[in-house]
Amino acid sequence: DAGVIQSPRHEVTEMGQEVTLRCKPISGHDYLFWYRQTMMRGLELLIYFNNNVPIDDSGMPEDRFSAKMPNASFSTLKIQPSEPRDSAVYFCASRPGLPTDTQYFGPGTRLTVL
Amino acid sequence: AQKVTQAQTEISVVEKEDVTLDCVYETRDTTYYLFWYKQPPSGELVFLIRRNSFDEQNEISGRYSWNFQKSTSSFNFTITASQVVDSAVYFCALSEIFTTRDNYGQNFVFGPGTRLSVLP
Repeated sequence: DAGVIQSPRHEVTEMGQEVTLRCKPISGHDYLFWYRQTMMRGLELLIYFNNNVPIDDSGMPEDRFSAKMPNASFSTLKIQPSEPRDSAVYFCASRPGLPTDTQYFGPGTRLTVL
Repeated sequence: AQKVTQAQTEISVVEKEDVTLDCVYETRDTTYYLFWYKQPPSGELVFLIRRNSFDEQNEISGRYSWNFQKSTSSFNFTITASQVVDSAVYFCALSEIFTTRDNYGQNFVFGPGTRLSVLP
């Protein structure tokens, strides 16, 4: 089975540009999570969805960040406008429906904002 | 509030040595889950183990073993006879489950990670 798929794997953009990160969760998983990893702050949960509905977006840093999940097999994390401090690795993870289950992570997208 | 502490920022060992990575957590809940993930230099996060708060049995998987002690709120990870391929950042994580009227929710917090270098 394919794992969590993220694209692009690397993104370099200039400050002020819009950035869209994409994620395809593992088929059959009901939950999808977006994380950000930086040296300073480690791994931070940004937002998660259950059955395509956002449940907790308290980790989203500011209004420049938005996430959507239009269907069970696709999610996007958008940054508009991007800033250099948004440079990080962004991970998507998914897990099955039971709350006890483990999150499985995608390979991450390394974002660099110049 | 929940918190995960991994006091060891970096550890270096020589191949074949045993090494223990410490994890201490804080939670007010009686039901929670603990995890270890490995992040090798390639960057992906690899799930290693999950343990629920009611199961304090230690677990062994090959060269890996985990020691869960509720009395000290610790969930330590030992690698026996370390190998160069074990070099990675290891994260401990805590998950609390809560129920809402319509659904389950999950608070998931990672520790800061311990960078393990195994030297040949």
